[in-house]
Order: sequence, then structure tokens, then C-alpha cells
Amino acid sequence: DAGITQSPRHKVTETGTPVTLRCHQTENHRYMYWYRQDPGHGLRLIHYSYGVKDTDKGEVSDGYSVSRSKTEDFLLTLESATSSQTSVYFCATRAPGANEKLFFGSGTQLSVL
Amino acid sequence: GDSVTQMEGPVTLSEEAFLTINCTYTATGYPSLFWYVQYPGEGLQLLLKATKADDKGSNKGFEATYRKETTSFHLEKGSVQVSDSAVYFCALNRDDKIIFGKGTRLHILP
Repeated sequence: DAGITQSPRHKVTETGTPVTLRCHQTENHRYMYWYRQDPGHGLRLIHYSYGVKDTDKGEVSDGYSVSRSKTEDFLLTLESATSSQTSVYFCATRAPGANEKLFFGSGTQLSVL
Repeated sequence: GDSVTQMEGPVTLSEEAFLTINCTYTATGYPSLFWYVQYPGEGLQLLLKATKADDKGSNKGFEATYRKETTSFHLEKGSVQVSDSAVYFCALNRDDKIIFGKGTRLHILP
């Protein structure tokens, strides 16, 4: 498996506070993705990156921002957390080429009270 | 925008039954198509893929054919096992934007 580390693994926070989730990879993959997984909704794309400082919005980007200052790190920030952002967040990476396979991190369980 | 639609679950089958999980997509151009599987307590892993029309992806007895004319990529297996119990996700990749369907939970009874 690709070396993808998400931190923290679990977090409980209060409504209105900013929260930053980190995804770190050791595979030098060009592409990185943030998804949230919710019952009844499957995986929904929040933001993705196709290189350092190159990011784009996904399906559910409102209330989230991202930054990628280094190839290995992709940060997801909830600017002012709301209870609707309680979810499991997955980071994924992909190398360019025909394989197109996504490698997933172990996820971050976020609870916003 | 692009989207993926999967059949609602859960799907419950007896061991050795035939499996079909329907997936249709909406996208401009020619996306690549995938099936991912998530076993209990684990992350998603790629099951199979197809990158162009009429391609057939296969792995572990599962198959899916990229049908451009019906914009479909249905997952099939001839004889399921208890160990196939999992959540199955259909996905597409268009211009590096990868989106997933809602997932279909599969229960196989011994």
C-alpha cells in the first residue's frame, strides 16, 4: 500500500471552530484528493490537487478549503466547523498514468458538537 | 455535472448466487470507469477498471463492461461467496476529477 498518513485519526470539536486535517504521502504521487463518507451518500469529493499549489473544487466544497505547498502534504481546513461536517474524511493519492488507481488513507473521524 | 448512480442496497444473496450491481454514469467525453470495494473496517481498494468503450475489467471473479451506448458499467459475479460481503462503489475519472456513486452494501448468506 502507498504510504498515506492522515492525522488526526479522530477529532471532536465544537461548532464554529476551525479544524485542519492533514494528509501526508511518501509516494511522490502527483494527485491528491479529499473525500467525505457519510451513510446514504457514499464518498463525495471535496477538493483535489493535481500538483503543488494546483487545486480544484469537488462536489461538496462549500465550507472547506485546501492547501498544497509541498508534494507530500495536502491540508483540508474547515473554516468554521458545523454539525453537518461531522463525517469520516478520507485522503487519497494517485500517480499519473494508465493505472489510475487511487490509494486511500485510513480516514479521520471528525465529530462537530 | 458528472455523476454516478448505483442501485440502492442492501443486496442480500445466498452463497453461490449470481450477482449484478447496476451502475450508470453521466459525463461528457470519455471517462475511465472503476469499481472499488470496502470490506468491513477497511478503506477502499480498487476491484477493477475499464478505460474505454467495450473494455471489460475483471478481478477475483468479478467483471464489468464499459458500455458507452447505455452509459453503464454493471458489476457481475457468477457465484458469490460469504467473503464478498462488503460495500461496492462505482466511480469515474474525467480529467483527473474522480467521483463515486453512493455505494451498494452486499450481504452474502451462507
